[in-house]
Amino acid sequence: LAKTTQPISMDSYEGQEVNITCSHNNIATNDYITWYQQFPSQGPRFIIQGYKTKVTNEVASLFIPADRKSSTLSLPRVSLSDTAVYYCLVGASGYSTLTFGKGTMLLVSP
Amino acid sequence: DTAVSQTPKYLVTQMGNDKSIKCEQNLGHDTMYWYKQDSKKFLKIMFSYNNKELIINETVPNRFSPKSPDKAHLNLHINSLELGDSAVYFCASSTRDRVYGYTFGSGTRLTVV
Repeated sequence: LAKTTQPISMDSYEGQEVNITCSHNNIATNDYITWYQQFPSQGPRFIIQGYKTKVTNEVASLFIPADRKSSTLSLPRVSLSDTAVYYCLVGASGYSTLTFGKGTMLLVSP
Repeated sequence: DTAVSQTPKYLVTQMGNDKSIKCEQNLGHDTMYWYKQDSKKFLKIMFSYNNKELIINETVPNRFSPKSPDKAHLNLHINSLELGDSAVYFCASSTRDRVYGYTFGSGTRLTVV
């Protein structure tokens, strides 16, 4: 399974755009990139998933360069409620499971 | 109407006891999982079931035994509990191709004293 590397923590202010980058140098051809958000005392929540280029949904955007060795989760105009741990996961579909790394603790301040 | 529900939410028990955690999903997913999140917040896969069949069994002590009576339920039974078993246990489910990723339950905080 591809190993991922993310910053341990990030700080931001309300209304700013936040970009969290994840490195996955040994990503395999059939691996997808998935991001999750976890609040204290809750299970992780699926945010977005992509394979290449750009994916956008109502919550975030995911940018994946052509070599797919990294990906960037972009959160537009964060609010205090976006304070959480964000996990980048890489893995294939099917029976293989996704391995969670250490995640990035995002702290949004007023 | 909770998609993935676990019970109990909190569990405090003494060393050596046997306990069970129940999980149910109403999403119609084929695959269910148990994850353990330790004090350092690492989420580690323990088991994975697809349509009641065990497909992944990571290096977990055999004191941990999953049971899947049907594809909507995956229970976790733990024998002879040890202090090191204290953690938050998350149940999750997904479609086989994980197009929408995992859906996690809210977790069961197990404390062994």
